[in-house]
Amino acid sequence: EAQVTQNPRYLITVTGKKLTVTCSQNMNHEYMSWYRQDPGLGLRQIYYSMNVEVTDKGDVPEGYKVSRKEKRNFPLILESPSPNQTSLYFCASMRTGTPYEQYFGPGTRLTVT
Amino acid sequence: AQTVTQSQPEMSVQEAETVTLSCTYDTSENNYYLFWYKQPPSRQMILVIRQEAYKQQNATENRFSVNFQKAAKSFSLKISDSQLGDTAMYFCAFISTSGTYKYIFGTGTRLKVLA
Repeated sequence: EAQVTQNPRYLITVTGKKLTVTCSQNMNHEYMSWYRQDPGLGLRQIYYSMNVEVTDKGDVPEGYKVSRKEKRNFPLILESPSPNQTSLYFCASMRTGTPYEQYFGPGTRLTVT
Repeated sequence: AQTVTQSQPEMSVQEAETVTLSCTYDTSENNYYLFWYKQPPSRQMILVIRQEAYKQQNATENRFSVNFQKAAKSFSLKISDSQLGDTAMYFCAFISTSGTYKYIFGTGTRLKVLA
């Protein structure tokens, strides 16, 4: 089954404790992306990657890191989480060509206290 | 910079009626795609419909259709014969295919279908 998986689905952590949210896709997609969803703000792109070892900042990259060492994986790293990073996070992937449809993971609910 | 605006935070519609969700965007690009995604209470993001900017014909998918006005930079979604399962958050989205490939989403419209 074609899918994007994220782990963990729920995470409660404390300020400053480094964490990683994993993302993996099995569709051989070149493009992968991370978003955060906040009430009233919609989805905002954090980082995206056009292919292995190629990453670019989205609209809200501050406080986040990513890496793309393998085509299927695109982890999101919060080196020193703060309460304003409490949010719902989505990973997505797509082919870099028509139809440009993104496939989303199930989301990760992160709470930073 | 590209922007996507959804000016209706919440809407409601009676079951079996028709509802239109609005979306406007701003871009200087000529090559782009527009999308409507649905997010039901399960939180899963689901593609509803897609429109290529170079196509003049409005896209349709069963009960869902769009009114794409390129000159006005408007991209509304019409849901006909609304069903209870259409209750969800709907996001309008844009991607330029001639530059950065950044995906831009609107702030969403929460639609409630009433029995």
